[in-house]
Parts: sequence; structure tokens; C-alpha cells
Amino acid sequence: AAGVIQSPRHLIKEKRETATLKCYPIPRHDTVYWYQQGPGQDPQFLISFYEKMQSDKGSIPDRFSAQQFSDYHSELNMSSLELGDSALYFCASSHLAGEGSEQYFGPGTRLTVT
Amino acid sequence: GQNIDQPTEMTATEGAIVQINCTYQTSGFNGLFWYQQHAGEAPTFLSYNVLDGLEEKGRFSSFLSRSKGYSYLLLKELQMKDSASYLCAVRFHRGSTLGRLYFGRGTQLTVWP
Repeated sequence: AAGVIQSPRHLIKEKRETATLKCYPIPRHDTVYWYQQGPGQDPQFLISFYEKMQSDKGSIPDRFSAQQFSDYHSELNMSSLELGDSALYFCASSHLAGEGSEQYFGPGTRLTVT
Repeated sequence: GQNIDQPTEMTATEGAIVQINCTYQTSGFNGLFWYQQHAGEAPTFLSYNVLDGLEEKGRFSSFLSRSKGYSYLLLKELQMKDSASYLCAVRFHRGSTLGRLYFGRGTQLTVWP
């Protein structure tokens, strides 16, 4: 079965640079979630989109922005990168944002800021 | 956070049974998920409970008591490959928090031969 695809899998950037992470949800899934997981930490919710509209916003810095496109893929744009942004960034998708909708996670993008 | 608590570490031997507990605050509860995560990899969905009772899926079972704000994940016939972190995640129904999951810190399970 098709899974969530994320690219790139690994990314190394320097401080103050920008990065763009991409997520392709499971076919027919209309909701995308972004989570950040620091070393030894639990995943923290950043932002989500349902039918191309932002549906929820968590602890996402103002330096980050995201959107969902007409083909339902999503991009997380990160600017003025800081050392503390080094983390695993997971995208998850589900069919409908509501009840009974399991979230399936992609393999993640490991971002290292030097 | 949402007071999602689970033990930090557990150990067990191959073939044994282990129960990983999770407690959470009950206000606005709208579903509980268990995920397995190997180091550096994505969380893998294991189970979902929204009503009281036991959900069984092969060697894994998950139980929920909504009134007590309590769940457990039961792993039977443990195998070495079950060594991983097990994340309890809760969805709450509050305002605009539609669908987001709140995760516990995870329970690192080590299975010994």
C-alpha cells in the first residue's frame, strides 16, 4: 500500500539559511499534519491542513510557513534557520481530520542546522 | 501539555507479555492512539481506541477506560524486533484543535533474549 512520502530524507543547512520540506500524503487522504521531533523528545504538532486550508496551528515559529497544494501535497518552508531547528520533521496524513481517522506518518526529514 | 504520562523505560524477555500504561487528562478526550517508533524512524500506527474496552490486533492489544483516563498497550509473545519506543498519543476535542495528536514521552521497551 502507498505510504506518506517525504523529501528530502536528510538535509543539512547553515544558520540563517532557508529550507523547504515536502510531503506527499497517502492517495485520497485530504488532511496533512506536520510534527517536529527533537532528539529524545516526543513529536510536537506544528500545523495541519484540510482540503488545502489551514485547519489547526500549534507551536510553529513565525519563521516557518506551510501550505497544501491542489494535489494535496504540502510544503513546510523554514527561514532564518537556527541551531535549535535541528530535528526530525514528520508529515502525517489522514482521511478527514475528525473522528476515527488514524494518522499515518511519513519516514521523516532529518534536518541538521550547523 | 495534556498530562499524558507513560513509563520511560521497560524491559522484558523474549516470549513474555508486557503491558505499557498511559494516563491522560480526560477533558475533551476524542481518541487514543498507540504508535511504535524505532530510533530515527517514523512512528508506525498500532491501534486506536475511542470507546471503552479492548481492541485486539494479533500480538498487540490496546485497552481504554475513558472515565479513568487510562489506556494500556499489551504486547504478547515478545520478539527482539519489538524493542522500540511506544508512544501514547491522544486527540482532544477543544476549539480549533482539530485532529492534532498530543504525544506522551514514549516508553522505551527493551526485549532481552
